[in-house]
Amino acid sequence: AQSVAQPEDQVNVAEGNPLTVKCTYSVSGNPYLFWYVQYPNRGLQFLLKYITGDNLVKGSYGFEAEFNKSQTSFHLKKPSALVSDSALYFCAVRDGDDKIIFGKGTRLHILP
Amino acid sequence: EAQVTQNPRYLITVTGKKLTVTCSQNMNHEYMSWYRQDPGLGLRQIYYSMNVEVTDKGDVPEGYKVSRKEKRNFPLILESPSPNQTSLYFCASARIYSGSYEQYFGPGTRLTVT
Repeated sequence: AQSVAQPEDQVNVAEGNPLTVKCTYSVSGNPYLFWYVQYPNRGLQFLLKYITGDNLVKGSYGFEAEFNKSQTSFHLKKPSALVSDSALYFCAVRDGDDKIIFGKGTRLHILP
Repeated sequence: EAQVTQNPRYLITVTGKKLTVTCSQNMNHEYMSWYRQDPGLGLRQIYYSMNVEVTDKGDVPEGYKVSRKEKRNFPLILESPSPNQTSLYFCASARIYSGSYEQYFGPGTRLTVT
């Protein structure tokens, strides 16, 4: 079955430090992978996607993600965290039937 | 302004009283979808539509109906709501024929069924 796993419910990072939010997936065929962010009391906003091409994709707000086919992972990264990055982050994958499957989300806390 | 709108934003209703949550997008997107967000469960897809008159079940379609008579609108219908449908609902749209699938989300509808 197609699935997305975000193994950490919460990640705490000090401001200025690098951050990583983990995502692994299971889907048949070539995956379309996405990261979205949800700020408090807001809808979701698109951050970045991987469809094909370079394994390192860059997105909004200085975020990037690395597609690793052998590890079936798509971890979200940022070199230097800001307090304003504190939010709920979702990884998602499109399966072969055009369903979109989301992970359960990871709450990112950036500590001043 | 490119956007996805949902109405109402908040709704409190009683068990069994039919309701409709509207969703509209002004970006001429082919793909539209409904999700529910519950604590600890993330977002789960209810139904999606690849284009007009084409709808498919997502992971949690039971108790919901949708229709896609026009490209811009994708209403979510709860024929007989139950308390376990209390949730935060999001509509989203995406352009797919360019291979994008980047979804734009509405602001959400918080539904309480008593």
